[in-house]
Amino acid sequence: QSALTQPRSVSGSPGQSVTISCTGTSSDVGGYNYVSWYQQHPGKAPKLMIYDVSKRPSGVPDRFSGSKSGNTASLTISGLQAEDEADYYCCSYAGSYTLVVFGGGTKLTVL
Amino acid sequence: QVQLQESGPGLVKPSGTLSLTCAVSGGSISSSNWWSWVRQPPGKGLEWIGEIYHSGSTNYNPSLKSRVTISVDKSKNQFSLKLSSVTAADTAVYYCAREGGGGPYYMDVWGKGTTVTVSS
Repeated sequence: QSALTQPRSVSGSPGQSVTISCTGTSSDVGGYNYVSWYQQHPGKAPKLMIYDVSKRPSGVPDRFSGSKSGNTASLTISGLQAEDEADYYCCSYAGSYTLVVFGGGTKLTVL
Repeated sequence: QVQLQESGPGLVKPSGTLSLTCAVSGGSISSSNWWSWVRQPPGKGLEWIGEIYHSGSTNYNPSLKSRVTISVDKSKNQFSLKLSSVTAADTAVYYCAREGGGGPYYMDVWGKGTTVTVSS
């Protein structure tokens, strides 16, 4: 069982928007502004898409955005494209003992 | 830009020790970054194993701490993972990654991963 809770799957049609939630506790997501999101295509390494809750690394399309409210973080992908179909993982800093926790992952299907 | 490459045996016997190395190219391991190991069992999610700074300071996942050792070799610009007393549950793809932000806040560069199977 993962420390952060994500929906197992979400789906959307090309051009639509989807939001993936990531629920933790006040000891991780709610306690720090250090939530990150990773995209992983089958057989590939994870790729950083969002860090520090809402910042995008250079080269990541602005269709990807992140936010946080309380103990729940969210990743929104607007203008869905076929290449967005992948697994998405959230991650949070969890303090000086646990340090890093991941969500269980969400499979995004582009219909 | 910085690239990471994992290497090591793909098969480890139960109760043995898993040993992997991550070679850093295109940058220095002595930069102001921490360096980490993350693993992914087949069909499952990601699990953070631990991190190291070029000074040798380390932090580990509490659930693995008793079996994990991460070390750094600045002369070779690489860092390594040792996981002892392995079982089938340690079968996974093992990734090394660079942590951005000066701490374990996000991983911005990843290796391609290496598959390790624990089996007799």
